Amino acid sequence: DIQMTQSPSSLSASVRDRVTITCRASQSVSRFLNWYQQTPGKAPKLLIHAASSLQSAVSSRFSGSGSGTDFTLTISSLQPEDFATYYCQQSYSTPRTFGQGTKLEI
Amino acid sequence: QVQLQESGPGLVKPSQTLSLTCTVSGGSINSGGYYWTWFRQHPGKGLEWIGYIYYSGSTNYNPSLKSRVTISIDTSKNQFSLRLSSVTAADTAVYYCAREDYDASDYYVDYWGQGTLVTVSS
Repeated sequence: DIQMTQSPSSLSASVRDRVTITCRASQSVSRFLNWYQQTPGKAPKLLIHAASSLQSAVSSRFSGSGSGTDFTLTISSLQPEDFATYYCQQSYSTPRTFGQGTKLEI
Repeated sequence: QVQLQESGPGLVKPSQTLSLTCTVSGGSINSGGYYWTWFRQHPGKGLEWIGYIYYSGSTNYNPSLKSRVTISIDTSKNQFSLRLSSVTAADTAVYYCAREDYDASDYYVDYWGQGTLVTVSS
């Protein structure tokens, strides 16, 4: 299985801050890397696919980059609704695997 | 707009079989280009991929659960289902059904059900 490791595990920030979350794969996943946002009691929501493609209807303040083993998710100017948990996921191979999550707190 | 909805018992006894169904609306399950997928999330924990089924019936399971998992599809009802046998308390989780979209260079889950909590307890 491909292991996905996110850092940090938690992050405190303020509205209008710029934040970056990193995700590292235990082996190359090319650009088969997705980012999801999850709020308590809700299903995950797709933000970014193929490492840097913004999902339809997702705010442009979200952006992704990277390839191979190292990836980043950047939120350019935090809004109140962005405080959530973020997961990276590799879709290069099965079993699909996720990072442990990054909890973004005010 | 595609919607997915999980249904099934919220309480299962240890050693029994967990059975859930996902009903898809707003689109046909009987078309190519999608993997119909099950995930779970243990309370307060991260996400775990259980496996998926293609409309043709071909399946792919997580090796960690493979001996206990069966995913099936009923295209006439636009539903797919999960069965997990010999459950223990460690199988207590929120179970999500989802649709994984794919093309030549991209695989991602674009639609999720709301999730259903299944508790394993006597």
